[in-house]
Amino acid sequence: KAGVTQTPRYLIKTRGQQVTLSCSPISGHRSVSWYQQTPGQGLQFLFEYFSETQRNKGNFPGRFSGRQFSNSRSEMNVSTLELGDSALYLCASSRQGTQHQHNSPLHFGNGTRLTVT
Amino acid sequence: GQQLNQSPQSMFIQEGEDVSMNCTSSSIFNTWLWYKQDPGEGPVLLIALYKAGELTSNGRLTAQFGITRKDSFLNISASIPSDVGIYFCAGRSTGANSKLTFGKGITLSVRP
Repeated sequence: KAGVTQTPRYLIKTRGQQVTLSCSPISGHRSVSWYQQTPGQGLQFLFEYFSETQRNKGNFPGRFSGRQFSNSRSEMNVSTLELGDSALYLCASSRQGTQHQHNSPLHFGNGTRLTVT
Repeated sequence: GQQLNQSPQSMFIQEGEDVSMNCTSSSIFNTWLWYKQDPGEGPVLLIALYKAGELTSNGRLTAQFGITRKDSFLNISASIPSDVGIYFCAGRSTGANSKLTFGKGITLSVRP
């Protein structure tokens, strides 16, 4: 069974540009979450999607957005990039859906390393 | 907001030693998870705990869900060089839409 796949693995952008990252969840997983990882702040929650709807959102500015498609694949977009957006962006999927499944753990991809210059 | 505390930030042990890591929270959680992250990769789930008092093992790893629901610990026995990495605890509170909150991680180094 394939794991969570994130593309691209590495990305270099300049300030002011925008970027789109892609995530394909594990087959059968309907929930996708995005996290930003930096050395100083650890893993910071961005947002979670389930059935194409944003179910939860972290404390990030509106420049960070995402969406989920009907096949559960997800994308996140960062507009007007800033130097501080340089980070590892991790996507994770889970079966989480109904109340019965709410304890299903997250399974992570290997991330997209974004560098903003 | 919810916060998870992991300390110290780094641990250095000798190969073959046991090591214990603790994670505490100001909030009650109904799920505790432990992850390990190797350089250049995403976190990998080690152990999941769903019930207060639960003690679960995965090979040389043992984790427990604290009775108060505000803490958890992870033990690694007979450490080996490949145990090197960053260990994260994560907790989720009640409610189907609650998000997973992560600690800042402990970097473990194992001296051969």
